[in-house]
Amino acid sequence: EVQLVESGGMVVQPGGSLRLSCAASGFTFDDYTMHWVRQVPGKGLEWVALISWDGGGPSYADSVKGRFTVSRDNSKNTVYLEMISVRSEDTALYYCVKGVLIGSFHGDAFDIWGQGTMVSVSS
Amino acid sequence: QTVVTQEPSFSVSPGGTVTLTCALSSGSVSSSYYPSWYQQTPGQAPRTLIYNTDERSSGVPGRFSGSILGNKAALTITGAQADDESDYYCVLYMGSGISVFGGGTKLTVL
Repeated sequence: EVQLVESGGMVVQPGGSLRLSCAASGFTFDDYTMHWVRQVPGKGLEWVALISWDGGGPSYADSVKGRFTVSRDNSKNTVYLEMISVRSEDTALYYCVKGVLIGSFHGDAFDIWGQGTMVSVSS
Repeated sequence: QTVVTQEPSFSVSPGGTVTLTCALSSGSVSSSYYPSWYQQTPGQAPRTLIYNTDERSSGVPGRFSGSILGNKAALTITGAQADDESDYYCVLYMGSGISVFGGGTKLTVL
């Protein structure tokens, strides 16, 4: 069974930093692009970042570019999202998502979703 | 800035057919945007329905179908059921790894 388990969400002060992790199982992890998508409670979904199967890309939404860094460790089947200089508008549930395509991220879509980890930015 | 637009809400009768759409603030949606569709019920993670315009994700019933209608991407639900009552999101791929979600459509089945 394909499974994605996020962790690392917490309450953090504005300007602070944290790292989210996503442990994957049930599929050949290093075949697929991995994405982060976030959702403010009660609001819509926002794509945040992707990292290609080999660590290439990565790509970011304008709202997080320069503050968030996505990385992966294929030996540990884990993808990370490093968040610095966090703002109140970064408060959201962060989902780790497996891509659909094998190899290329061009035209990729979202396949399997984790349950999310909550980040709250508050003083 | 590119905005992806969906109907904020829609309603359908049980057994009926409904088509939700996904448009660009400027320009037409084509298969080159690899439109995809996701269903989300309250308190749950999204579920993938359609990707690459019209390919159904594993386990998705045939009553869900994707297409391009005119200058928009479309999700059609044929024979709507009560448990189809959910929020539906489209995503368009903008190139260079960038994806953009629409604002979502709240579908009511009544």
